[in-house]
Amino acid sequence: GAGVSQSPSNKVTEKGKDVELRCDPISGHTALYWYRQSLGQGLEFLIYFQGNSAPDKSGLPSDRFSAERTGGSVSTLTIQRTQQEDSAVYLCASSPNTRGREAFFGQGTRLTVV
Amino acid sequence: DQQVKQNSPSLSVQEGRISILNCDYTNSMFDYFLWYKKYPAEGPTFLISISSIKDKNEDGRFTVFLNKSAKHLSLHIVPSQPGDSAVYFCAAQNSGGSNYKLTFGKGTLLTVNP
Repeated sequence: GAGVSQSPSNKVTEKGKDVELRCDPISGHTALYWYRQSLGQGLEFLIYFQGNSAPDKSGLPSDRFSAERTGGSVSTLTIQRTQQEDSAVYLCASSPNTRGREAFFGQGTRLTVV
Repeated sequence: DQQVKQNSPSLSVQEGRISILNCDYTNSMFDYFLWYKKYPAEGPTFLISISSIKDKNEDGRFTVFLNKSAKHLSLHIVPSQPGDSAVYFCAAQNSGGSNYKLTFGKGTLLTVNP
């Protein structure tokens, strides 16, 4: 497909378990973002990857959260020892430019921690 | 501390009339503003943007106005159509070091009634 693809679409996990969320950006896009949207909130920045530069991890809420981007393409967001407050929609976006203007978003992964 | 505020959680208008969605910001370093539209179970899609050097940008039925002195922007949709019913997010970028980050408001749910 031509768009940003995220998997799974929905994930229900038990508190304390680890989860991995996957993002396939648009081919050729150098910038990749992870955002999350908690209930009733706006989109919250988590992490930014740009080419081979060190990622900006300043938005990750705790050390239970980590992300990788392999080969400048696919990215995985990992949440360890999930908590109920981690429940949210996790959105990935990619952009062809460094300023992320008009970034293209995936459909998101809805994570529910029970 | 919310830097981008959309104070109206929802707005309802009649088909054919004008929809006006408002957004306020507090960070004077913001120099680029975007509107995204989001349907349920889909990721946000870019709609229209404006640079801080302009006060108006128009694209078809959509016009964004920027009032820098008031730190206020608005999105006008004329005429409104039922297919415009969605959540609209205002977002901003700054001119500083982390100029790739998008800071989002909480969104306004627009309902256009036939």
